[in-house]
Amino acid sequence: GNSVTQMEGPVTLSEEAFLTINCTYTATGYPSLFWYVQYPGEGLQLLLKATKADDKGSNKGFEATYRKETTSFHLEKGSVQVSDSAVYFCALTRRGSQGNLIFGKGTKLSVKP
Amino acid sequence: GAVVSQHPSRVICKSGTSVKIECRSLDFQATTMFWYRQFPKQSLMLMATSNEGSKATYEQGVEKDKFLINHASLTLSTLTVTSAHPEDSSFYICSARGGTVLDSPLHFGNGTRLTVT
Repeated sequence: GNSVTQMEGPVTLSEEAFLTINCTYTATGYPSLFWYVQYPGEGLQLLLKATKADDKGSNKGFEATYRKETTSFHLEKGSVQVSDSAVYFCALTRRGSQGNLIFGKGTKLSVKP
Repeated sequence: GAVVSQHPSRVICKSGTSVKIECRSLDFQATTMFWYRQFPKQSLMLMATSNEGSKATYEQGVEKDKFLINHASLTLSTLTVTSAHPEDSSFYICSARGGTVLDSPLHFGNGTRLTVT
């Protein structure tokens, strides 16, 4: 079946540190891949996406590359800020559905000044 | 950007009562809405998919008679937890898609924390 596995948190970093949150997936066919972010007290927001192999999604300094050979979509940012503190969810769109998302468990990131 | 309003944000109810959660798309027409449930430290699990004017499609293991979903208009979907029990306590999140492309972004509500005592 389709599933998403992402690294467990919480992840605590100092400001300006490099961030990697690992995400791997299992899917039939060729899913689209997403990263969503949930800031404290807010709903989930789309951070970036990639719809085919080797695509790179990027937004707000974050980026992730769709790696078909390793079935991965790791999230990276070169220099995190305190305002990046949030929960990050990796997700895929299930083919043959109406586009609903299958989520990983989420990784909580805390950035300290 | 697109906004989805979910209400209430928190609700506490007694065992055996019913609770209704509303999900509204404020500036777009939501042809499809999804309802998710999230347990602590767990993924968001899809409960059901609803299309305006038709019956909801429930995921395996979700009791349709317990979790009533109504999507009567293009801007409103409701989830009613009937005869709630403590095990129904969870975080419920709705999402909506305005476009018809399957990969178009979903817009999420802020969620509803349900506590059944």
